[in-house]
Amino acid sequence: QKEVEQNSGPLSVPEGAIASLNCTYSDRGSQSFFWYRQYSGKSPELIMSIYSNGDKEDGRFTAQLNKASQYVSLLIRDSQPSDSATYLCAVGPMNTGFQKLVFGTGTRLLVSP
Amino acid sequence: EPEVTQTPSHQVTQMGQEVILRCVPISNHLYFYWYRQILGQKVEFLVSFYNNEISEKSEIFDDQFSVERPDGSNFTLKIRSTKLEDSAMYFCASMSGNLDTQYFGPGTRLTVL
Repeated sequence: QKEVEQNSGPLSVPEGAIASLNCTYSDRGSQSFFWYRQYSGKSPELIMSIYSNGDKEDGRFTAQLNKASQYVSLLIRDSQPSDSATYLCAVGPMNTGFQKLVFGTGTRLLVSP
Repeated sequence: EPEVTQTPSHQVTQMGQEVILRCVPISNHLYFYWYRQILGQKVEFLVSFYNNEISEKSEIFDDQFSVERPDGSNFTLKIRSTKLEDSAMYFCASMSGNLDTQYFGPGTRLTVL
């Protein structure tokens, strides 16, 4: 059973701080990794994608991937109250076009003003 | 910006009834998906569809479920005889190419009474 594990939280950070969200996955064959943000009652919204080991930065967001450790993380710098949401880690387990995503349960982030 | 649309936003049905959930994927996308999320749980893959046929389905996607792309724009999920446990948010997603990003629609909340 291919699994994606996340701490459910909540992770509470003050406004302006760095929020660090972590995810581990079980399938060593995984090729693609995504962070989605989900507000309550809404659909997942893509934040970042990452395919290679190392860091990828986009604005206030940095995704980090370590395939050897089967670990992917998301850093949010200068956290804002509007960042309060559930962050879903999703993994594409196979290098195919069909690319079904396996999701973690999500980490709930609370940013206090 | 192109987006995935879904109708209806909320569907209430009686147990045993058939429901059809509709999706209009992004126009140049080739890969289509249905996921569901039971309240408080993780997003789960149901089925992927490519080149007018199912490419993969999960164990959730039993004989009660079917998908169809009846024309060049719509992508539907049919549940033949709904059960109480089918109550969930159903998300349609589409993707343009291999290893690309899946974009999610706003979801249909299905309530089975």
